Amino acid sequence: SQKIEQNSEALNIQEGKTATLTCNYTNYSPAYLQWYRQDPGRGPVFLLLIRENEKEKRKERLKVTFDTTLKQSLFHITASQPADSATYLCALEGGYQKVTFGIGTKLQVIP
Amino acid sequence: EAQVTQNPRYLITVTGKKLTVTCSQNMNHEYMSWYRQDPGLGLRQIYYSMNVEVTDKGDVPEGYKVSRKEKRNFPLILESPSPNQTSLYFCASSPGGGDSPLHFGNGTRLTVT
Repeated sequence: SQKIEQNSEALNIQEGKTATLTCNYTNYSPAYLQWYRQDPGRGPVFLLLIRENEKEKRKERLKVTFDTTLKQSLFHITASQPADSATYLCALEGGYQKVTFGIGTKLQVIP
Repeated sequence: EAQVTQNPRYLITVTGKKLTVTCSQNMNHEYMSWYRQDPGLGLRQIYYSMNVEVTDKGDVPEGYKVSRKEKRNFPLILESPSPNQTSLYFCASSPGGGDSPLHFGNGTRLTVT
């Protein structure tokens, strides 16, 4: 069956360091992968999309990589700040625009 | 302002009492979807719609109904709510097309007693 795995354990990181979050998937052949940020009690907010033919995508302090051989995406936040503390979700389309989300990884940036 | 609006924000009801959660978007998006979010289970898709009068089941459609009579509205209907439908519900929309980002509403926290 199709599965998206994110490290459900919280990730604690010191302010200024680079945070790296992982998204692994099985039984998908996604043409693209998306990352969202979610704050407590709020709806997810789109951050970045990366296509299968793109190895890396950047937006300001954010960087996403996509390895279709390893079936893995890495999400990096450089120079992390306390305001980056949130849950980060990866999402894949499983066909027919049916978008499935991972469980998310909670990031805590410690001042 | 471009947005997805859900109402109500909070809802407490009793088992079996029919309810509707409304969702409206002002971005002329083709695609709309409902998700529920539960601790330890993440976001799970309930139903989605690729256009007016076109709806499809997601991963957890049991106990829910939807309709898409107008492009902007996509209400979620619980005909006979049960306690296991207590959850945080999100509506989302996108322009459509496989790589379109989803825009989410602020959620509806439903409690069924």
